[in-house]
Amino acid sequence: DAGITQSPRHKVTETGTPVTLRCHQTENHRYMYWYRQDPGHGLRLIHYSYGVKDTDKGEVSDGYSVSRSKTEDFLLTLESATSSQTSVYFCAIKGQTYEQYFGPGTRLTVT
Amino acid sequence: QQPVQSPQAVILREGEDAVINCSSSKALYSVHWYRQKHGEAPVFLMILLKGGEQKGHEKISASFNEKKQQSSLYLTASQLSYSGTYFCGTEPDSWGKLQFGAGTQVVVTP
Repeated sequence: DAGITQSPRHKVTETGTPVTLRCHQTENHRYMYWYRQDPGHGLRLIHYSYGVKDTDKGEVSDGYSVSRSKTEDFLLTLESATSSQTSVYFCAIKGQTYEQYFGPGTRLTVT
Repeated sequence: QQPVQSPQAVILREGEDAVINCSSSKALYSVHWYRQKHGEAPVFLMILLKGGEQKGHEKISASFNEKKQQSSLYLTASQLSYSGTYFCGTEPDSWGKLQFGAGTQVVVTP
């Protein structure tokens, strides 16, 4: 399972509150990714990281920020959550032959 | 622009075959295939790099036509365990910035 954990696994929050999701990996992978999954849209890339303190935007980055201060942790922050950010969030790492392995996901509901 | 998958859904009986297609309008470096069961994370099946290679995983194989930017996933002699939603993911380079299709739901019945 590539040693990926996500926390929390479920969260309900109110509109306008900040939310931080954590992705933790134990195998020293350089590349990490945050995706969101919504019905009818498949998975969409939010942000990715190619090393400590090296991050870049994906296709749906508005309203999200990320940080990576250690190789093993990649944080996704919703500065002010909106109902449109209700989704399932998956973290992934890139393996040695370019494949990606996904964490178990975080189900976020913004009310 | 996300790749286009077809069909949207397919129902099979055990032992039957199916083909899932993935088409992109962009030049591709690679095509990935994943399977996701309800309430779980996507699971990697295989990756095809540009060059038109074909790969296999048990009775699941795939091809990549680099010139047409198309990939196909072949489910052969389907098993109940093949049920799930299949996603293709495409990328124009090796950075891993995947764009996923909307998915193909596969139901295998006894």
